[in-house]
Amino acid sequence: KAGVTQTPRYLIKTRGQQVTLSCSPISGHRSVSWYQQTPGQGLQFLFEYFSETQRNKGNFPGRFSGRQFSNSRSEMNVSTLELGDSALYLCASSTDRAYNEQFFGPGTRLTVL
Amino acid sequence: QKEVEQNSGPLSVPEGAIASLNCTYSDRGSQSFFWYRQYSGKSPELIMFIYSNGDKEDGRFTAQLNKASQYVSLLIRDSQPSDSATYLCAVKTSGSRLTFGEGTQLTVNP
Repeated sequence: KAGVTQTPRYLIKTRGQQVTLSCSPISGHRSVSWYQQTPGQGLQFLFEYFSETQRNKGNFPGRFSGRQFSNSRSEMNVSTLELGDSALYLCASSTDRAYNEQFFGPGTRLTVL
Repeated sequence: QKEVEQNSGPLSVPEGAIASLNCTYSDRGSQSFFWYRQYSGKSPELIMFIYSNGDKEDGRFTAQLNKASQYVSLLIRDSQPSDSATYLCAVKTSGSRLTFGEGTQLTVNP
């Protein structure tokens, strides 16, 4: 079974631009969560989507948004990029059982100049 | 108090020794607990998952959960240099949201 895939793997943007990242979960997984990882803050939860609905949201500004499609693929968007948005963005997929494992994709490394 | 706390590192053990990694959490409603291994520049890799009190063993890895003490640990037996990585403890509270500790950097010396 194929794992979680994320595209692109690397991105370089400048301040003020916007970016869209994509995540395809493991086949059969309907829950997709997004995380931001930085050296200073560690791994922080952005949001979770299940059945095309945002089910959970972390403490990030409204510049961070996401969506999920009917095939469970998910995208996240960051508008008006700031230098502090430079990070590794990780997507995790899981089933929706009460006790379930979450598997991470390889991540998208975003650098904002 | 942080939601998930891990023992401060870095932790250094000789090859063949047992490495012990600890984690405490604050939310008593937490449902399940994860240990991830992350190599530098890579994404987290799930190595253990536990949700019932007691021990769970998988090869050289043993996860231990004590909900009364709000404590979860990971033991790595016969540590190998390839085990050198950052180990992340994560706790699931609602939906599929995971809250992570800051990680413990483990070095296994040949």
